[in-house]
Amino acid sequence: EAQVTQNPRYLITVTGKKLTVTCSQNMNHEYMSWYRQDPGLGLRQIYYSMNVEVTDKGDVPEGYKVSRKEKRNFPLILESPSPNQTSLYFCASSLSGHTDPAYEQYFGPGTRLTVT
Amino acid sequence: AQTVTQSQPEMSVQEAETVTLSCTYDTSENNYYLFWYKQPPSRQMILVIRQEAYKQQNATENRFSVNFQKAAKSFSLKISDSQLGDTAMYFCAFMKRGRDDKIIFGKGTRLHILP
Repeated sequence: EAQVTQNPRYLITVTGKKLTVTCSQNMNHEYMSWYRQDPGLGLRQIYYSMNVEVTDKGDVPEGYKVSRKEKRNFPLILESPSPNQTSLYFCASSLSGHTDPAYEQYFGPGTRLTVT
Repeated sequence: AQTVTQSQPEMSVQEAETVTLSCTYDTSENNYYLFWYKQPPSRQMILVIRQEAYKQQNATENRFSVNFQKAAKSFSLKISDSQLGDTAMYFCAFMKRGRDDKIIFGKGTRLHILP
């Protein structure tokens, strides 16, 4: 089954304790992305990756890191989480946008993160 | 920079009625894509419909259709014969066709279908 998986689905942590949210897709997609969803703000892109070893900042990258060592995985790293990073996080993937047609983003199930 | 505006934070309609969700966007690009995503209470993001800017014909998917007005930069979603399962948050999204493939989402419209 084609899917994007995220782990963990729920996480409660404390300020400053490093954490990683994993994301994996089995569709051989080049493009992967992380979003955060906050009430009244919609989804905002954190980072995205066009392919292995290629990552770029989205609209709200501060406080986050990513890596893309393999095509299927795109982990989101919070080196020193703060309460303002409490949010619902989505990973998504799609085929590259370089050619038509484009592209539905396939979303993971979301990770609810609470930082106290 | 591109922006996407959904002017209706929340809407309610009776089951079986038709409802239209509005979306406007601002861009100087000519090649781009527009999407409507649905997020039910399960939080899963589901693609509802997609429109390529170079296509004049409005996209349709069963009960869902769009009214794409490129000159006016408007991209509204019409849901016909609404069903209880259509209750969800709906997001309009813009994607430029190009190297960076950044996607911009609107803030969403919460739609309630009333029995």
